[in-house]
Amino acid sequence: DADVTQTPRNRITKTGKRIMLECSQTKGHDRMYWYRQDPGLGLRLIYYSFDVKDINKGEISDGYSVSRQAQAKFSLSLESAIPNQTALYFCATSDMTDQPQHFGDGTRLSIL
Amino acid sequence: AQSVAQPEDQVNVAEGNPLTVKCTYSVSGNPYLFWYVQYPNRGLQFLLKYITGDNLVKGSYGFEAEFNKSQTSFHLKKPSALVSDSALYFCAVRPHSGAGSYQLTFGKGTKLSVIP
Repeated sequence: DADVTQTPRNRITKTGKRIMLECSQTKGHDRMYWYRQDPGLGLRLIYYSFDVKDINKGEISDGYSVSRQAQAKFSLSLESAIPNQTALYFCATSDMTDQPQHFGDGTRLSIL
Repeated sequence: AQSVAQPEDQVNVAEGNPLTVKCTYSVSGNPYLFWYVQYPNRGLQFLLKYITGDNLVKGSYGFEAEFNKSQTSFHLKKPSALVSDSALYFCAVRPHSGAGSYQLTFGKGTKLSVIP
């Protein structure tokens, strides 16, 4: 089983809809992250959380919100989806600053 | 603010030849540097990291990278490329401390194609 699991893997939806992407991990890491990947732009940080009570905005948080339901669960919401939020979304975890992040396999989100 | 440049969008190399994927960075203070690989329909997988110490870092699948502080570079290398190395490679940086130390900044990625 994957250490970092993202659901759904693919989602097609319409402009204006509310969408939630979920991430769960079995690595026991305190730190969790949400990124989006766009072709030619690399990965950009949306939100990050260092523990259940610590949530912070990243580089591109506008239009997104998150919830850290437990140490192992970190969800990303798009309250009212728009087409330029079409992207590949990744969740990642880590335990310390100098340790590598571990990534899920991503959610491919298309907003029509 | 930190940044990473991967100057080549694509690198083509013949199977069996050495490969290099270039990365330069900008950061305040000392850096943590990472290389990740992404295969189609998969998340990023960690290859290697530089924290401190020896400038030559060895990682997974025969890859290595050399930290060059004066040139602010961290190029990824492999002596003999395999077709299975074909993938998208990302370099990433964060400072040891201070502003931005929470955030891993990624380059835009380099697509490596190994030709049989």
